[in-house]
Amino acid sequence: EDKVVQSPLSLVVHEGDTVTLNCSYEVTNFRSLLWYKQEKKAPTFLFMLTSSGIEKKSGRLSSILDKKELFSILNITATQTGDSAVYLCAVRKSGAGSYQLTFGKGTKLSVIP
Amino acid sequence: DTEVTQTPKHLVMGMTNKKSLKCEQHMGHRAMYWYKQKAKKPPELMFVYSYEKLSINESVPSRFSPECPNSSLLNLHLHALQPEDSALYLCASSQAQGLSGANVLTFGAGSRLTVL
Repeated sequence: EDKVVQSPLSLVVHEGDTVTLNCSYEVTNFRSLLWYKQEKKAPTFLFMLTSSGIEKKSGRLSSILDKKELFSILNITATQTGDSAVYLCAVRKSGAGSYQLTFGKGTKLSVIP
Repeated sequence: DTEVTQTPKHLVMGMTNKKSLKCEQHMGHRAMYWYKQKAKKPPELMFVYSYEKLSINESVPSRFSPECPNSSLLNLHLHALQPEDSALYLCASSQAQGLSGANVLTFGAGSRLTVL
């Protein structure tokens, strides 16, 4: 059975701290790993990773994938209160079942002033 | 236009009611999805339409009936729901399988459903 495991499940930090969120996966026919940020409603897309070792960066957020060890990390530097959200990791397969995204349970990040 | 629009935002219904959730996108995406999300849980896939044809039905009870009238619209018809069906229902769209961008789903803001 496909599995996506995120850790920690929740995290409280102070503004300005740097955080690292983890996502490990076990899926057959891996195609890509995606990170989403979910505040009150819709998950919003952050990154898609398909190749090992290539860092994706957007402002204070960055992410990298290790296909050998089957994990990804999402880094947020100089955190702000607006970063408070649930961060979801999801894995997409290739071939049959490629429309299905398997989500992890999410990491709830709370940034306090 | 890079939005997926869902209506209504909130819906309260009784167990004998019939209602519908609607979803619309104008990004030219040919794959559309319904997800169900309970509190503090990740989204769970319900249905996928590809080129207006039902591609995946994740063993969803028949009291949920999807419909894709055209490439921009996706409906979810609700009938005889149970209180445990109360959840956030998320619509999403993407490029179709095999096309560039097929991996990335764009989500709507969701319809929060309460069944009394």
